Amino acid sequence: EAGVAQSPRYKIIEKRQSVAFWCNPISGHATLYWYQQILGQGPKLLIQFQNNGVVDDSQLPKDRFSAERLKGVDSTLKIQPAKLEDSAVYLCASRYGGSSPLHFGNGTRLTVT
Amino acid sequence: GDSVTQTEGPVTLPERAALTLNCTYQSSYSTFLFWYVQYLNKEPELLLKSSENQETDSRGFQASPIKSDSSFHLEKPSVQLSDSAVYYCAKKGGKSTFGDGTTLTVKP
Repeated sequence: EAGVAQSPRYKIIEKRQSVAFWCNPISGHATLYWYQQILGQGPKLLIQFQNNGVVDDSQLPKDRFSAERLKGVDSTLKIQPAKLEDSAVYLCASRYGGSSPLHFGNGTRLTVT
Repeated sequence: GDSVTQTEGPVTLPERAALTLNCTYQSSYSTFLFWYVQYLNKEPELLLKSSENQETDSRGFQASPIKSDSSFHLEKPSVQLSDSAVYYCAKKGGKSTFGDGTTLTVKP
């Protein structure tokens, strides 16, 4: 089966610019997650979708971050405006159900200068 | 509430040494744990899934439930250089949150 697809693979932007990341989960996986992983730390959950509804966005900095999964399949995460501390790898993951493991995409490495 | 805690800090082992990592859980019902491994500059991937009622193994690693103290051990009798990575445990379902994991460095 095809894995979780993410793009772009790398992105370099200046602070105050905007950026968007795209994720296409494994077919049939209803649950989709976005994580932020800062160097040396574990993945931090930003937002969880179940189909096209938000289950948890308690750690999403909503003043600058937004995410959507309009048709319950692929998803977009946006940052506007970016700050230096947003430099991280943004990981998308999906799972089939609650007892299933997470499948991660290979991430987008964002550098904000 | 439901949570997991990995108790070790960074671990450094020589090649062929035995590895044991610990993950403690708090749960009021049947518990499954996932062990994920993240190699340098790669995304996390599933290593194995463990339950409180049985041992499981994958790629030479074994997960053993320790009911007496509500924990799981991740064990490997003889580590290789390629096992150097960060290891995470996470409960099934819920918020799918991760801690900072345990960094394993295997030295020649």
